[in-house]
Amino acid sequence: NAGVTQTPKFQVLKTGQSMTLQCAQDMNHNSMYWYRQDPGMGLRLIYYSASEGTTDKGEVPNGYNVSRLNKREFSLRLESAAPSQTSVYFCASGQYGYTFGSGTRLTVV
Amino acid sequence: TQLLEQSPQFLSIQEGENLTVYCNSSSVFSSLQWYRQEPGEGPVLLVTVVTGGEVKKLKRLTFQFGDARKDSSLHITAAQPGDTGLYLCAGLNLGSQGNLIFGKGTKLSVKP
Repeated sequence: NAGVTQTPKFQVLKTGQSMTLQCAQDMNHNSMYWYRQDPGMGLRLIYYSASEGTTDKGEVPNGYNVSRLNKREFSLRLESAAPSQTSVYFCASGQYGYTFGSGTRLTVV
Repeated sequence: TQLLEQSPQFLSIQEGENLTVYCNSSSVFSSLQWYRQEPGEGPVLLVTVVTGGEVKKLKRLTFQFGDARKDSSLHITAAQPGDTGLYLCAGLNLGSQGNLIFGKGTKLSVKP
């Protein structure tokens, strides 16, 4: 009963470094999402993918890129990390009810 | 921009007390969902309400969708320490492809 799997769980980056957050779901969902969660700001949508081969910007896409590799996998890339990208990142999948991963806690120093 | 306002932002109560949290908007939603999030984990879906005026019960939790489908409430009866967590409401706007709009959450602490 894996659901949505995110890796890594924790990461520390230096300003300017790049990294890719991985997400995979085993529920055969068409739609997948990347959110960031910050204190006092709630969950904010970064990018989403309504189906394999399509991606769209959400509320806060600047500084991020995504790839929908196949129906199962949706990755989030930070090309040049900045301290403002310190956050907890969640991947989710589903149409009208989301299943979330357990998150990646990212610190950019 | 559609917004969902949740209140209160924080709530600290003793075990056995009742509580209600609210989720309000000026926009109409086709459905509304409630999630609970525990520290270090992702949100977990509790319920979806679809029809205006709808009431759903999940053990000690009662969820209500407003008649005009602009607001919702979550009532917990006889709260227990296991109810501690962040409660998030999320609305699906009319005609949306499935993107939910989340409120900022109510952080509930139930003390033994």
